[in-house]
Amino acid sequence: AAGVIQSPRHLIKEKRETATLKCYPIPRHDTVYWYQQGPGQDPQFLISFYEKMQSDKGSIPDRFSAQQFSDYHSELNMSSLELGDSALYFCASSNGTTDTQYFGPGTRLTVL
Amino acid sequence: KQEVTQIPAALSVPEGENLVLNCSFTDSAIYNLQWFRQDPGKGLTSLLLIQSSQREQTSGRLNASLDKSSGRSTLYIAASQPGDSATYLCAVKTLSSASKIIFGSGTRLSIRP
Repeated sequence: AAGVIQSPRHLIKEKRETATLKCYPIPRHDTVYWYQQGPGQDPQFLISFYEKMQSDKGSIPDRFSAQQFSDYHSELNMSSLELGDSALYFCASSNGTTDTQYFGPGTRLTVL
Repeated sequence: KQEVTQIPAALSVPEGENLVLNCSFTDSAIYNLQWFRQDPGKGLTSLLLIQSSQREQTSGRLNASLDKSSGRSTLYIAASQPGDSATYLCAVKTLSSASKIIFGSGTRLSIRP
């Protein structure tokens, strides 16, 4: 069965650079969620989209923005990167906002 | 505000033992509760999901129970194996914000051969 795809799997950036993370949901899933997991931390909800509209917002810094496109894939744009942004970024998808969330393998972002 | 707590933070047991991991949550108005496994530096693997109307779910050697009224869930692992060593995360989806999952801080499990 198809799963959530995230790219890239690993990303290394310098401070103050910009990064773009991509998420391709399971086919026919219309809702996408982004989570951030810092070293030794539990995953924290960042933002979600349902039918290309933002549906919920968590602890997402103003330097980050995200959107969901017409094909339901989503991109998380991160600007003015800081050392503290180094983390594992998970994307999850579901069919509707209340259905089970299926997680992707994550993108490991390292900011030097 | 929903808070999810997992006790203990770390657990080490010899191979073959049965064990129980605990999860508690402060807001009983949940949509569902999910247990995940995470290997170091890896992604989240969903183990079991219990809907709010259910009392338990079973998959192989794993059994998860849910007591919504007391705000508790347990994950029972039978006949533990070294391959079970990982961090186990409990996560809840609350009715007030059904679009996001709130995670506990996890229990780091180590099975000694």
